Amino acid sequence: GAVVSQHPSWVICKSGTSVKIECRSLDFQATTMFWYRQFPKQSLMLMATSNEGSKATYEQGVEKDKFLINHASLTLSTLTVTSAHPEDSSFYICSAGQGTPRGYTFGSGTRLTVV
Amino acid sequence: GESVGLHLPTLSVQEGDNSIINCAYSNSASDYFIWYKQESGKGPQFIIDIRSNMDKRQGQRVTVLLNKTVKHLSLQIAATQPGDSAVYFCAEIPMDSSYKLIFGSGTRLLVRP
Repeated sequence: GAVVSQHPSWVICKSGTSVKIECRSLDFQATTMFWYRQFPKQSLMLMATSNEGSKATYEQGVEKDKFLINHASLTLSTLTVTSAHPEDSSFYICSAGQGTPRGYTFGSGTRLTVV
Repeated sequence: GESVGLHLPTLSVQEGDNSIINCAYSNSASDYFIWYKQESGKGPQFIIDIRSNMDKRQGQRVTVLLNKTVKHLSLQIAATQPGDSAVYFCAEIPMDSSYKLIFGSGTRLLVRP
């Protein structure tokens, strides 16, 4: 089946630094990837839609200059949290799609802690 | 705004019993619904889906029921096992939304041995 790999699985960084999270589709090409954020004991909130070769589409309230998304190839999308602050600490999850609703597979998530 | 919500935040069941997890949605334009299982520290895992032109769909030990009249979705798990312990989310895909998922608030299922 389709496999989506996220790296790193967890990261701790200092306030003011930037962190890059990678999302890779290992055995299929994904024209679309989605990035979600999940706070403890809460649901997943969509941050942005990443399309290969074009600019990402951000959801209302998500700062595009803070959460930089790059989808340079059909198998890789990256999310960079710039100038991270403690309130950015969260679980970030990506999903990669194969063109049908059921075809979207989630990565294992990245736990970001900003100290 | 539109949202998908759940009635019960935590459900505790005895091993071997059946579990029913409920979800209410508000977007009548949604035409596709999915149930996900999320274990601690992991991403959501697809369980079962249903289209809006159906009212019931069965999988292995799981059944999803859709009642469009009252905008209600449920997940039934037969013979619940310890491995079923997790948080369960329903998600909807509004029509023409390019497969953007709107997640409900989640229900934690605890299976007592």
